[in-house]
Amino acid sequence: QKEVEQDPGPLSVPEGAIVSLNCTYSNSAFQYFMWYRQYSRKGPELLMYTYSSGNKEDGRFTAQVDKSSKYISLFIRDSQPSDSATYLCAMRAGSARQLTFGSGTQLTVLP
Amino acid sequence: EAQVTQNPRYLITVTGKKLTVTCSQNMNHEYMSWYRQDPGLGLRQIYYSMNVEVTDKGDVPEGYKVSRKEKRNFPLILESPSPNQTSLYFCASSSGQGYQETQYFGPGTRLLVL
Repeated sequence: QKEVEQDPGPLSVPEGAIVSLNCTYSNSAFQYFMWYRQYSRKGPELLMYTYSSGNKEDGRFTAQVDKSSKYISLFIRDSQPSDSATYLCAMRAGSARQLTFGSGTQLTVLP
Repeated sequence: EAQVTQNPRYLITVTGKKLTVTCSQNMNHEYMSWYRQDPGLGLRQIYYSMNVEVTDKGDVPEGYKVSRKEKRNFPLILESPSPNQTSLYFCASSSGQGYQETQYFGPGTRLLVL
């Protein structure tokens, strides 16, 4: 079993929809949780960064962490065609610098 | 402009022919790492470096070598490439601690080993 599980999709939604992306994990030592966005033929770019449980909002993006369930989510409101990309969750333990990634979810927002 | 650069971006080679993929960052970051990305497997760390002359294995180090002689450079070396090393490779660097840490990725190197 992988340490981090992520539904690979593909996920296709109409413009303006609310998108929910999720990851589950098994390592209870993970404390820092990240979401990366990766456009085709590009490197991943950091989108959201949260620590421990709770919510963080940045514009149209909301990241949620539920450590008791070992479950993290990324919500995208009012989705746009420019949000079409692969979204990767990543996490790491408190003292470590090494990241463990999910396999990524491919999202397409249709105009 | 803050950036991580990799060269070459695309490479086709044959089994056993040594190759080096260069990585350079201009942000004075201490931490650098190499990942490979394969369909369905996501990004897996190959090697990382906490600082000059300090390197350690990641999750999939077999068949790879690295060196960190200067802070800005972190080359990835494949001494004897094999077809199972065909992949998309990313270099990354980061600074800060804990919540302030920000990791920057390079544009990727697509490698095909025949």
